Amino acid sequence: NAGVTQTPKFQVLKTGQSMTLQCAQDMNHEYMSWYRQDPGMGLRLIHYSVGAGITDQGEVPNGYNVSRSTTEDFPLRLLSAAPSQTSVYFCASHGRVKNEQFFGPGTRLTVL
Amino acid sequence: AQKITQTQPGMFVQEKEAVTLDCTYDTSDPSYGLFWYKQPSSGEMIFLIYQGSYDQQNATEGRYSLNFQKARKSANLVISASQLGDSAMYFCAMREPDRGSTLGRLYFGRGTQLTVWP
Repeated sequence: NAGVTQTPKFQVLKTGQSMTLQCAQDMNHEYMSWYRQDPGMGLRLIHYSVGAGITDQGEVPNGYNVSRSTTEDFPLRLLSAAPSQTSVYFCASHGRVKNEQFFGPGTRLTVL
Repeated sequence: AQKITQTQPGMFVQEKEAVTLDCTYDTSDPSYGLFWYKQPSSGEMIFLIYQGSYDQQNATEGRYSLNFQKARKSANLVISASQLGDSAMYFCAMREPDRGSTLGRLYFGRGTQLTVWP
């Protein structure tokens, strides 16, 4: 049981480049979400999805796009990377069991 | 407005002593869940403890206990007999109730950096 997986673990981009952070879960969870973690700011919600085909914005959605074509996958796209997007990104998922929330290992992104 | 407030950016405790990390939350829903996570320097998020809003007793998991005061909307984490390995960032989080087929969102505080010294 792999849980929540994220790729890549590390990434360096130049300003203006685009890329996709991958997230997958194998627990058939309906809810998936992306957070960014910056020093002193805790975890801030970027986008989330309550099921395949349904996504919504979180607190800090600007500069990011998501889609949810399957239950398992929830990729996060940076269309034109900016230095302000340098951060650690976490993907998380949960189902209907209320005390379970699973996190991926994180992706450390640097934008030069 | 902040849904989760952690007022202690940093805490220090001596090994083998107990420490309380504060967390207050804001919600008007009667049904919600409260979580604490540990994030060591390696970066992964580790689930510690969960408290449901309707749970009658405070949650406990080994050396971790959650001091749940519903009327005050506080959910403080108590770590007994601190160990050097407890040094980490600790996050409090609240999950909103599910609404029909839509699962509840999770909100995080800004975290408390705990340092345990020998």
